[in-house]
Amino acid sequence: GAGVSQSPSNKVTEKGKDVELRCDPISGHTALYWYRQSLGQGLEFLIYFQGNSAPDKSGLPSDRFSAERTGGSVSTLTIQRTQQEDSAVYLCASSWDTSGEKLFFGSGTQLSVL
Amino acid sequence: GENVEQHPSTLSVQEGDSAVIKCTYSDSASNYFPWYKQELGKGPQLIIDIRSNVGEKKDQRIAVTLNKTAKHFSLHITETQPEDSAVYFCVPKGGNTPLVFGKGTRLSVIA
Repeated sequence: GAGVSQSPSNKVTEKGKDVELRCDPISGHTALYWYRQSLGQGLEFLIYFQGNSAPDKSGLPSDRFSAERTGGSVSTLTIQRTQQEDSAVYLCASSWDTSGEKLFFGSGTQLSVL
Repeated sequence: GENVEQHPSTLSVQEGDSAVIKCTYSDSASNYFPWYKQELGKGPQLIIDIRSNVGEKKDQRIAVTLNKTAKHFSLHITETQPEDSAVYFCVPKGGNTPLVFGKGTRLSVIA
């Protein structure tokens, strides 16, 4: 596709359930980033990938959060045993180089934990 | 780490007027200065950026000016239109650390 694609666009889940969020970056982009945005707030950095490896996992809020990227393309962010405070928009971005500049964002996944 | 402040946090202007958003930063190693625009229900989009060896850059109705000595850079939007209404983020960067987004500035253009 032409841009970064995220699915689902909306996810409603019950507290304690696991969820998986998907990001399909722009073809050829080697770097991929996950951010989280709570209502009315800025973006909180979670993790980024360079190829399939994740040099920086410092932003993951807890061990319930994990992410992987396979084939240097699609990435999934998994949240286990979801809590209400996990409710937010999860944004994915990709970039063509390692500089971390010029990020292209998807429209995000709105996660609601009831 | 980088300490970034944006002013104002909210801004309302009449359609056709100009809008200016200022960003101050603390890390003297910052050398890349982008502005992102986030419309409702979408991810942020890069609208303009500048590097530390340049003082000003223009792209149609938007411009960015940089004062590296004073450690601030500003976004200028002229002839504002309703579609300029969005949240704007300044994201100064140095090195290979991921972009750090603050709370941004909410711009409302009143028709």
